[in-house]
Amino acid sequence: VLTQPPAVSVAPGQTASITCGGDNIGSKSVHWYQQKPGQAPLLVISDDNDRPSGIPERFSGSNSGNTATLTISRVEAGDEADYYCQMWDTRFEHPVFGGGTKLTAL
Amino acid sequence: EVRLVESGGGLVHPGRSLRLSCAASGFRFEDHAMHWVRQAPGKGLEWVSSILWNSANMHYADSVKGRFTISRDNAKDSLYLQMNSLRPEDTAFYYCVRGITVPGDVWFDPWGQGTLVTVSS
Repeated sequence: VLTQPPAVSVAPGQTASITCGGDNIGSKSVHWYQQKPGQAPLLVISDDNDRPSGIPERFSGSNSGNTATLTISRVEAGDEADYYCQMWDTRFEHPVFGGGTKLTAL
Repeated sequence: EVRLVESGGGLVHPGRSLRLSCAASGFRFEDHAMHWVRQAPGKGLEWVSSILWNSANMHYADSVKGRFTISRDNAKDSLYLQMNSLRPEDTAFYYCVRGITVPGDVWFDPWGQGTLVTVSS
């Protein structure tokens, strides 16, 4: 089970941190998706901290212990979206998603 | 441009069947495992099913096991999801996604635009 806070709010220009909690998650790779209203999810971070082509450098990730974190620096209004973490669950032998976090730029 | 386009969604009565299709383009379809992920309206993401590049292995979420069947046709660059015995709780947007697979891990890129399946009487 991956646990995310339902919502995170941050002022534009500030840094947003979205967490994804799981038992010893630091021993696994975590991936992050952004989903804007009415759109399909978009991969923003793979393998803990790899940015796909076209994703701004403002997006970064980290993963240690029981918490993985997506960090968005200099938050813009256009970053408002739902963010989901995902990993491969070795118990169930299939991918699992966190419940999602709604990011609001106040 | 890598592209996935789903079709086949719609309104269906409980207990009936529906077949979703996904047309892939812009990449070597036969080189990749493919997946279906769904999202109930206003809810989070749920992995549904996966199929290896050569159809040698298919996997299903417990919630759909025995009712849904995933398949693919590499000659047509197409992925399918046959959904039988549909239930109201199957109502969701269904996304076709390409799996980026490494040993012991997978992530999803890109995603199709999704097709809405509504199960209601």
